[in-house]
Amino acid sequence: QQPVQSPQAVILREGEDAVINCSSSKALYSVHWYRQKHGEAPVFLMILLKGGEQKGHEKISASFNEKKQQSSLYLTASQLSYSGTYFCGTDRSGTYKYIFGTGTRLKVLA
Amino acid sequence: GAGVSQSPRYKVTKRGQDVALRCDPISGHVSLYWYRQALGQGPEFLTYFNYEAQQDKSGLPNDRFSAERPEGSISTLTIQRTEQRDSAMYRCASSSDRGGNSPLHFGNGTRLTVT
Repeated sequence: QQPVQSPQAVILREGEDAVINCSSSKALYSVHWYRQKHGEAPVFLMILLKGGEQKGHEKISASFNEKKQQSSLYLTASQLSYSGTYFCGTDRSGTYKYIFGTGTRLKVLA
Repeated sequence: GAGVSQSPRYKVTKRGQDVALRCDPISGHVSLYWYRQALGQGPEFLTYFNYEAQQDKSGLPNDRFSAERPEGSISTLTIQRTEQRDSAMYRCASSSDRGGNSPLHFGNGTRLTVT
């Protein structure tokens, strides 16, 4: 039942782009994206609701394909500060029970 | 505004002892969640509350785990007769409303070690 994220890990150079995917086997009502740095709590990035798309940050955007039960997070012109582990959190049918994905470790090199 | 506060930050206990983990959410937040997180893994859902009502406890591993939020604010996660497999980071999160368009604000967690 846990959403599957891909890739599991990615290494980028500063300025490069990345896409992180989150796939669910169940229908989704909303998708949250969070970034967690080592030793810290997960920090909210953005929310995507069924039937809509919301951009949370200037260079970070996301899409939500309800039919495919997938969401993708797009990181453009990556910065060193983007390094961390990214998690999607999914809510099925408005139950507000957020289940988190398997995680994607991203490292940005100078 | 203070964020979500959890105490203690670290707890070492002997197998068989009971432990109580406390979460103080952001003031006025309606929903409160408990998660368990293993190193390198995503948060694992345990239970959540809207106000004082426990809405879903399907993630609690067994009946040694229980949670309460009696006045709709502070919450306590209790683990009875702790076992070594209970060792993990326990995180609390709160949300301003019950809707799917409200982010979860996570606390810094309680690192539980059962010896």
